Amino acid sequence: DTAVSQTPKYLVTQMGNDKSIKCEQNLGHDTMYWYKQDSKKFLKIMFSYNNKELIINETVPNRFSPKSPDKAHLNLHINSLELGDSAVYFCASSPRQVLDYEQYFGPGTRLTVT
Amino acid sequence: AQTVTQSQPEMSVQEAETVTLSCTYDTSESNYYLFWYKQPPSRQMILVIRQEAYKQQNATENRFSVNFQKAAKSFSLKISDSQLGDTAMYFCASSFSYLNTNAGKSTFGDGTTLTVKP
Repeated sequence: DTAVSQTPKYLVTQMGNDKSIKCEQNLGHDTMYWYKQDSKKFLKIMFSYNNKELIINETVPNRFSPKSPDKAHLNLHINSLELGDSAVYFCASSPRQVLDYEQYFGPGTRLTVT
Repeated sequence: AQTVTQSQPEMSVQEAETVTLSCTYDTSESNYYLFWYKQPPSRQMILVIRQEAYKQQNATENRFSVNFQKAAKSFSLKISDSQLGDTAMYFCASSFSYLNTNAGKSTFGDGTTLTVKP
């Protein structure tokens, strides 16, 4: 059983389009995250939700809007895509209520904007 | 704010030998967690080992062990008997304890690409 899943795994789209990436975790975790990994492999946090509540919002363009319909899902919607948005986006989750912040990562979504 | 620094962008090691990846961090917290994650070419991020800051004993997981120097804020990863499957990018990360209002946020280093040569 997949613990953290993302769809799609690959996404190729043109500049100016709007796209969404979905993430689901079946671990019963309270906290979910979105990370961006750029072409140099640098991994930066974008957002974090705890029980559907936004708790971390790094300096990310407001074209990026996370949505958490329930604590098992955290979707990422991107408006007006730009070339610089090309990257691998990782979803992750962690059990907030225990003293353990190991994060479980999804397989990543490679977004290519042309 | 927490920062994590990995000063070795790339390293290589011969199969069966030992290699150490360095990581330093900076935090004002007294309790926190430190992690090493592995990202092989398949792209999947996998936890390798974790260390709780209040534990003085260095964590060990099979061939992987850490040298945790709290005063020096150093957290290096030692891989013994390196195997070809260890070829990957390795990320050092730190996180706040749950008592902190920003609990749940991890800070990642920029990664070290390790190549194990046959």
